[in-house]
Amino acid sequence: GDSVTQMEGPVTLSEEAFLTINCTYTATGYPSLFWYVQYPGEGLQLLLKATKADDKGSNKGFEATYRKETTSFHLEKGSVQVSDSAVYFCALFTSGTYKYIFGTGTRLKVLA
Amino acid sequence: ETGVTQSPTHLIKTRGQQVTLRCSSQSGHNTVSWYQQALGQGPQFIFQYYREEENGRGNFPPRFSGLQFPNYSSELNVNALELDDSALYLCASSSNPGTLNTEAFFGQGTRLTVV
Repeated sequence: GDSVTQMEGPVTLSEEAFLTINCTYTATGYPSLFWYVQYPGEGLQLLLKATKADDKGSNKGFEATYRKETTSFHLEKGSVQVSDSAVYFCALFTSGTYKYIFGTGTRLKVLA
Repeated sequence: ETGVTQSPTHLIKTRGQQVTLRCSSQSGHNTVSWYQQALGQGPQFIFQYYREEENGRGNFPPRFSGLQFPNYSSELNVNALELDDSALYLCASSSNPGTLNTEAFFGQGTRLTVV
């Protein structure tokens, strides 16, 4: 079945460091790919998405490119802030399946 | 703010009891999905309701059941609670159940603790 694999955390970075969180997927169809963020004590917020190969999603300085050849959707940010500390979830959605498949999440901690 | 509201925010129940969680979908959305997020895990799909009918179900036992009302709000009911049911329960509303580009708006969740 469809699945999403994320790098394990926690990831601890100093403020202004470069961030990469790896995400790879397995899907039988042609999924849309998403990154969601969860701040402490809150629900999920959509961070960015890409719906087809080579699309780049971007928001708030975060970027991810849909790579069909490597089945990947890695999240990057050039300069992280303390306020970026949260858990990040990679997810896929395939038309007709009615559901999102989430990775296990990667906790990011940014130190001042 | 997404407009998806869940109640209650926190709940403590005893093993064997029954619980009902509620979700009000975002205005204009006719599809509600429920997810269970165990501690340290990603959300797992429970089921989805579209226009008051169950439209898809994940690998959860029948003691997990739901309803959707004419105003598209929804309930998740769990009978015979087990300790492993302790989790954050997330509700997501969307405008269409299966469109590839649809994004789901998630509520803040209900934290259920079973003791």
